[in-house]
Amino acid sequence: EVQLVESGGGLVQPGRSLRLSCTASGFTFGDYAMSWFRQAPGKGLEWVGFIRSKAYGGTTEYAASVKGRFTISRDDSKSIAYLQMNSLKTEDTAVYYCTRVSDGDPPDYWGQGTLVTVSS
Amino acid sequence: AIRMTQSPSSLSASTGDRVTITCRASQGISSYLAWYQQKPGKAPKLLIYAASTLQSGVPSRFSGSGSGTDFTLTISCLQSEDFATYYCQQYYSYPPTFGQGTKVEIK
Repeated sequence: EVQLVESGGGLVQPGRSLRLSCTASGFTFGDYAMSWFRQAPGKGLEWVGFIRSKAYGGTTEYAASVKGRFTISRDDSKSIAYLQMNSLKTEDTAVYYCTRVSDGDPPDYWGQGTLVTVSS
Repeated sequence: AIRMTQSPSSLSASTGDRVTITCRASQGISSYLAWYQQKPGKAPKLLIYAASTLQSGVPSRFSGSGSGTDFTLTISCLQSEDFATYYCQQYYSYPPTFGQGTKVEIK
């Protein structure tokens, strides 16, 4: 059974950093791209960024709203994807979801999400 | 970025009703369109991809159609477990973008 479990969320002050983890199981992690999405309280869904599999260079793409502040990485040996969030702003407050992505397809599995609250 | 517009934003329906939600893209996206269902406090669940392909395990009362800029999600016979918010998403180009959502409520 495919499972994605996010962790690392919590309350953080503006300007500080936080790292989220997404631990995967039930599939060959290295064969898939991983994407992060977020959802602010009571709002819709927003794509955050994406990391390709090593077979496709392991390169990343980011939403304009987080580019230069957020970094996605992966450790295929541990089946974990990371979202490093720096210079956090109050508008980054959201539930963050990691997802599995096959080439050319939309995300088919989502984690349960982890809440990040940016507030002083 | 491609803008996705859903309508209606919300609707009230009864169990057994046929429900249709539309999604329009600001430019052509071929069939690179997905539909998700989200219940309160839960992650989105993929229902349909490639505009009309049912994800494994999704009941056949859900169907999707369209290509280019105009798409529809139809629930043929609404069940109690279908009351939720539905989102369309284009994955034709980066950044992937979503419609604003359609909340399906009990009449």
